[in-house]
Amino acid sequence: SQTIHQWPATLVQPVGSPLSLECTVEGTSNPNLYWYRQAAGRGLQLLFYSVGIGQISSEVPQNLSASRPQDRQFILSSKKLLLSDSGFYLCAQNSGRYNEQFFGPGTRLTVL
Amino acid sequence: AQTVTQSQPEMSVQEAETVTLSCTYDTSENNYYLFWYKQPPSRQMILVIRQEAYKQQNATENRFSVNFQKAAKSFSLKISDSQLGDTAMYFCAFMKRGGSQGNLIFGKGTKLSVKP
Repeated sequence: SQTIHQWPATLVQPVGSPLSLECTVEGTSNPNLYWYRQAAGRGLQLLFYSVGIGQISSEVPQNLSASRPQDRQFILSSKKLLLSDSGFYLCAQNSGRYNEQFFGPGTRLTVL
Repeated sequence: AQTVTQSQPEMSVQEAETVTLSCTYDTSENNYYLFWYKQPPSRQMILVIRQEAYKQQNATENRFSVNFQKAAKSFSLKISDSQLGDTAMYFCAFMKRGGSQGNLIFGKGTKLSVKP
């Protein structure tokens, strides 16, 4: 089975402040990990994925970055938040025979 | 590049009735998976059902079934005996089989409301 933790659940930050969202997973070793953003009323946009420690691929150029310091830890960061960074951030890992993705509970970020 | 299209932004259905959500996709790949995810008001993404493209038989999971038409690149979701708890956003997703990335391509979603 797979369990995904995301912290914090909700965050309100001023424009220009830094950001750190954490995702930790249980279960499968060496999983692929993913960060998605979901703007209000819209679908999911893949931001980053990682196939291993220290390996990060960016799908969308922006002021966000990701890091994977441990096998089961995936961090989303920003040095200076923009208003457009507001949204719902979901972490996911792949698992199972079909390599499908399972999602964490998400973090709701509001940038004011 | 693959694309996934959900042409119904919103739908509603009466409790206990049946509803079908549409999804079409575009790909040049032959081996892939298709998924339906559900996102209730809690916003937790939940996997509802999966379909392997090389299997002709349509997948079913209790009240949820799909109509997979590979040639037409169509992948609709049928919900039978709708329940109030089925109220949610439903996302169709495509994933190429094989490779190390396992990236999902999502449609924009269909908001389903089940009315009592």
